Amino acid sequence: SQWGEENLQALSIQEGEDVTMNCSYKTYTTVVQWYRQKSGKGPAQLILIRSNEREKRSGRLRATLDTSSQSSSLSITGTLATDTAVYFCATDQTQVVGQLTFGRGTRLQVYA
Amino acid sequence: EAAVTQSPRSKVAVTGGKVTLSCHQTNNHDYMYWYRQDTGHGLRLIHYSYVADSTEKGDIPDGYKASRPSQENFSLILELASLSQTAVYFCASSDAGPGANTEVFFGKGTRLTVV
Repeated sequence: SQWGEENLQALSIQEGEDVTMNCSYKTYTTVVQWYRQKSGKGPAQLILIRSNEREKRSGRLRATLDTSSQSSSLSITGTLATDTAVYFCATDQTQVVGQLTFGRGTRLQVYA
Repeated sequence: EAAVTQSPRSKVAVTGGKVTLSCHQTNNHDYMYWYRQDTGHGLRLIHYSYVADSTEKGDIPDGYKASRPSQENFSLILELASLSQTAVYFCASSDAGPGANTEVFFGKGTRLTVV
């Protein structure tokens, strides 16, 4: 199957720092969704960016999408310890209605 | 707030036994999904449904069946559980298929251990 290819990275930073996580995908997608999963919980959607958008902001979050390079990024400014989680990107690469393809995730640890 | 409830939250099953995972949503959503998550991996779609009494195969349907008896309920069935099906399973719902401007709501997950 076609997976988003963000590697399962592990990032450790200090509270207050900014961080950017990347995601690449293999084929055309109409939307990229970013999710956050905290320990012991299900994923929760953070931000959705469509293929006709280059950038989307929500509070401290900023998502970008570059369809020419088939990549997306999620940036968090002024991180907090509560941002500690695994972050996933998801796309509808299969073009089959109802199917999202998730990347492996980036594990972010923010130290207070 | 949108709610997806899974039961049980954890289960230990014997190899070759039958396992049923249940999911209930109060969101009035048409779409429901079952995903599997293995350590160090993202979520992989097993089955999904966009209407009651109908299910569709996802990326990894082998060894799993699904049942959508009503809009609110969606079950995942392992007829003959195997060790390789040890994982965390997530149910989710959305009011439209991904690709639309829609949010997918996930349950808290069911940790299944097959021994």
